[in-house]
Amino acid sequence: DQQVKQNSPSLSVQEGRISILNCDYTNSMFDYFLWYKKYPAEGPTFLISISSIKDKNEDGRFTVFLNKSAKHLSLHIVPSQPGDSAVYFCAASASGGGADGLTFGKGTHLIIQP
Amino acid sequence: KAGVTQTPRYLIKTRGQQVTLSCSPISGHRSVSWYQQTPGQGLQFLFEYFSETQRNKGNFPGRFSGRQFSNSRSEMNVSTLELGDSALYLCASSLGTGGAGRETQYFGPGTRLLVL
Repeated sequence: DQQVKQNSPSLSVQEGRISILNCDYTNSMFDYFLWYKKYPAEGPTFLISISSIKDKNEDGRFTVFLNKSAKHLSLHIVPSQPGDSAVYFCAASASGGGADGLTFGKGTHLIIQP
Repeated sequence: KAGVTQTPRYLIKTRGQQVTLSCSPISGHRSVSWYQQTPGQGLQFLFEYFSETQRNKGNFPGRFSGRQFSNSRSEMNVSTLELGDSALYLCASSLGTGGAGRETQYFGPGTRLLVL
């Protein structure tokens, strides 16, 4: 049973426009969420995170929104740039001993069109 | 600071063999986590080591094991390889003070294992 779902395997966005990547989760114990970006032949790179006590976190062009009641989070990239073309993973963890691993979604391949 | 390094980068094995993968974390990081990435299942958590002890474990069979040394370097071992073990194995390191899922993890480039 997939606890973190990214329902769009791919997304194509024009350069300069907003990219919105979505993620849904089912485990109500999740209280910390992260987004990672992955280029081919490289490991994932941390982008941004959000704790469940917040509903928004911003870092430059990247903003993550969390809707706890809907168990939904989204990553907004504004404006989108060619270098943003990559696979984006949503990940979540639950507190409880402070030693839980991350549960990842299957990723969304973002393609920025020139 | 040097990043997370993993060796070897590519590996081909046959069914029934065993394999050992190595991971060197970022200097000062004491937590090392291992993940398996496959097209069908995505990224799945294998286990985390902190101060030479396995601190948490994902839902994988006992054929998957690991260890961590006093310098924080870690190895993972897969015994009796199966075709389905073909995957990209990623190692991630973090400071370890907050737990694997509670702090930023830095990933290595991965070891791609092909089981024939």
